[in-house]
Order: sequence, then C-alpha cells, then structure tokens
Amino acid sequence: EAQVTQNPRYLITVTGKKLTVTCSQNMNHEYMSWYRQDPGLGLRQIYYSMNVEVTDKGDVPEGYKVSRKEKRNFPLILESPSPNQTSLYFCASSFAQGGQPQHFGDGTRLSIL
Amino acid sequence: SQQGEEDPQALSIQEGENATMNCSYKTSINNLQWYRQNSGRGLVHLILIRSNEREKHSGRLRVTLDTSKKSSSLLITASRAADTASYFCATDFTGANSKLTFGKGITLSVRP
Repeated sequence: EAQVTQNPRYLITVTGKKLTVTCSQNMNHEYMSWYRQDPGLGLRQIYYSMNVEVTDKGDVPEGYKVSRKEKRNFPLILESPSPNQTSLYFCASSFAQGGQPQHFGDGTRLSIL
Repeated sequence: SQQGEEDPQALSIQEGENATMNCSYKTSINNLQWYRQNSGRGLVHLILIRSNEREKHSGRLRVTLDTSKKSSSLLITASRAADTASYFCATDFTGANSKLTFGKGITLSVRP
C-alpha cells in the first residue's frame, strides 16, 4: 500500500531535549516536505527536499533541521525544542515539486513542556 | 501573503444538501488543489485543476476555476455525514521557487 509513515504519532517531551520525527514513503517520490499545523494558521511549510541531499527552507524553518540521505526518508530534527514548537506536524511527498498531488502522513502531535 | 483564502470558515448543512466552498487567491497560479482532512488525520488529496482548465469532476465533487477572478469553488453534491471534515485549497504559484501554499481551511459539518 502506498503510504507516508510518520513516527511517533504522539510525543510529550521537555524543553531542550533533542528529538527526531521520522518520515518514510514507499512511492519512490522525489519531493518531500514537512508542515506544521496550528489553529488559525493553517499549514505552514517548514522544510522541503527536491531529491536526495537537496533540501531547502520553507516558510517557518527556525528551530528545525532536516536531512535527506535516502530517497524514502526525510527526518525532522528539533535540536533544542521549545514550547512554541508544540504543534501538529505532517510529512508529505509527491513525484515532483509542482503540479502533483501531495501524499500526507497521519501526523505527529508534539507537546513541548 | 500568497496564501489562498477559503470561504466560509465554517459550514453546517443537512445530509443530502449540496455544500459549496470557495477559495480566492492573489497571484497567478499553475494549478490549484483541494484537500480534505478528517479530524486528527493527514490531508487527503481530492482534485487538482490546472490554470488552463475551468472545471473538473470526481464522483460527487465538482471544482471550478476562474483565473480572471482568481477564485475556485468546490461543490460536494448530495452530502453525507462522512463528508464532515476540514477542506483546504492549496495554490501552486507561478514563478521561481513556486511551492504549494495552503489556506486555513473550511470546517464542514454534515448533520445526519
């Protein structure tokens, strides 16, 4: 089954404790991205990757890092999480950057205390 | 902001009625997409309409695009309780570094 898999689905942690949210897709998609969803703000793009070893900032990259060492994986790293990063996070993938439907994971709800 | 704006923000209808949701944007686009999000889940792609298209259908969904007015509408006919969800339009703007930009969403409630 074609899917985007995020882990964990839920995480409660404390300020400053490094965490990684994994994202994996099995559709051989070149384009992957991370979004955060906050009430009243909709979805905002954090980082995106057009292919292996090619990543770039989205609209709200501060406090986040990503890597794309393999085509299928695109982890989101919070080196020193802060409470303002409490949010619902989504990973998405598509064949290309533009003109393609995005396939979304089920989301990761992060709470930073 | 390049973000598309959906209207209304919330819509409540009776099962069997039609639901119309609108999206407006400000700059030229390559294409516009509509997504659905059930509570607590990821977004699911519904329809993509390109800038040279005026209307597309998919089952009970009908999407129109008016590039002169910079607006799109999503019509769900004969709504069902299972259509209760949030709906987002996403615009793919022309130009360098174009990327998909999502609106804030419309909450649709379909009463059984």
